[in-house]
Amino acid sequence: QKEVEQNSGPLSVPEGAIASLNCTYSDRGSQSFFWYRQYSGKSPELIMFIYSNGDKEDGRFTAQLNKASQYVSLLIRDSQPSDSATYLCAVTPRVLAAGNKLTFGGGTRVLVKP
Amino acid sequence: DAGVTQSPTHLIKTRGQQVTLRCSPKSGHDTVSWYQQALGQGPQFIFQYYEEEERQRGNFPDRFSGHQFPNYSSELNVNALLLGDSALYLCASRGQVYGYTFGSGTRLTVV
Repeated sequence: QKEVEQNSGPLSVPEGAIASLNCTYSDRGSQSFFWYRQYSGKSPELIMFIYSNGDKEDGRFTAQLNKASQYVSLLIRDSQPSDSATYLCAVTPRVLAAGNKLTFGGGTRVLVKP
Repeated sequence: DAGVTQSPTHLIKTRGQQVTLRCSPKSGHDTVSWYQQALGQGPQFIFQYYEEEERQRGNFPDRFSGHQFPNYSSELNVNALLLGDSALYLCASRGQVYGYTFGSGTRLTVV
């Protein structure tokens, strides 16, 4: 079992619709959860982080965390063609060391069609 | 405010050679991590440096080594290159605020 799992996609959504991305993780003690966006050939860019159960909203993005189910999701409202990218879910481990390494999922490719 | 800078941008090496990649963290950041990202996969953690010491290491062989300098910049060295080492190498820095900032990466091709 992979430590962090994501559906590779592609997830195709029409412009203006909601894109829903899911991520599950195996370490029940994971501390913090991150969503990164990565355009083709570019480096990952942090868009959201969450560490408490529930929802966190930032503009068109909402992150949802359910630690009991070991599940974190990302909703993108009013999807735009510029949202077409790979979305990476990352978690930090149970043990807090200096800096905390990130364990990434394989990413979900999102295609927003005009 | 400069972000994380990496050099070189692209590199082509021959199997068996050695390579050094460089990273300057974002201003105010003192922790540097290195990741390897193969095509179509998520980044894999190589190691992390803080206060000039390797603090954590991922599942990578000893051919991968690193260093952090007093100004927080860092180097990643890979010896005896294999074709499978071809990847995007990402440097990420972190300060006191949550989240890592990634550099633009070095694309290494081993032929």
